[in-house]
Amino acid sequence: GAGVSQSPSNKVTEKGKDVELRCDPISGHTALYWYRQSLGQGLEFLIYFQGNSAPDKSGLPSDRFSAERTGGSVSTLTIQRTQQEDSAVYLCASSLVWDMRAGELFFGEGSRLTVL
Amino acid sequence: TQLLEQSPQFLSIQEGENLTVYCNSSSVFSSLQWYRQEPGEGPVLLVTVVTGGEVKKLKRLTFQFGDARKDSSLHITAAQPGDTGLYLCAARASGGSYIPTFGRGTSLIVHP
Repeated sequence: GAGVSQSPSNKVTEKGKDVELRCDPISGHTALYWYRQSLGQGLEFLIYFQGNSAPDKSGLPSDRFSAERTGGSVSTLTIQRTQQEDSAVYLCASSLVWDMRAGELFFGEGSRLTVL
Repeated sequence: TQLLEQSPQFLSIQEGENLTVYCNSSSVFSSLQWYRQEPGEGPVLLVTVVTGGEVKKLKRLTFQFGDARKDSSLHITAAQPGDTGLYLCAARASGGSYIPTFGRGTSLIVHP
């Protein structure tokens, strides 16, 4: 497929466990974003990767959250010692770098995380 | 951090009615985008506006960017059930980060 791919689509875990969420962006898109969407809330920015530059981690809510992007393509968002308030849909998006001011974000379908 | 206020939060209307949703901020934007999100899917771009006072039309949807580039509106004429979804505005700050900030969205239900 040519779109942004995320896995797993659904994840149920117990409080205190670690989880990994994966994002495979559109080929050729050098910008990659992670957002979190809770019920009744908008999209909350988490982290941004752009090419080989240092990622913008300013949206990560705590040090339990981390993300990496290998080879400028696939990204993994890791949440350690999950808490119930981490339950949300985690959305990944990618975009072309050429239009930083107004470029379109292409979103995946999201990973729905439920922490029991 | 700029805040985007969207109103109304919820809207439930009958097929054929017109509606307008709003996106406001105290900050000046370099660009503003409207996305629509359906259940179980990611948001999909509807339109991008970059010039103050700009008006764009997409079939029955009309998008307007305020003259001061601080606000925007989305007007739907003769709404159809297929318009049902969550409408999100997203903006990039003028002279700042290129990371889009999203509003909380307007949840629209159009009844047949």
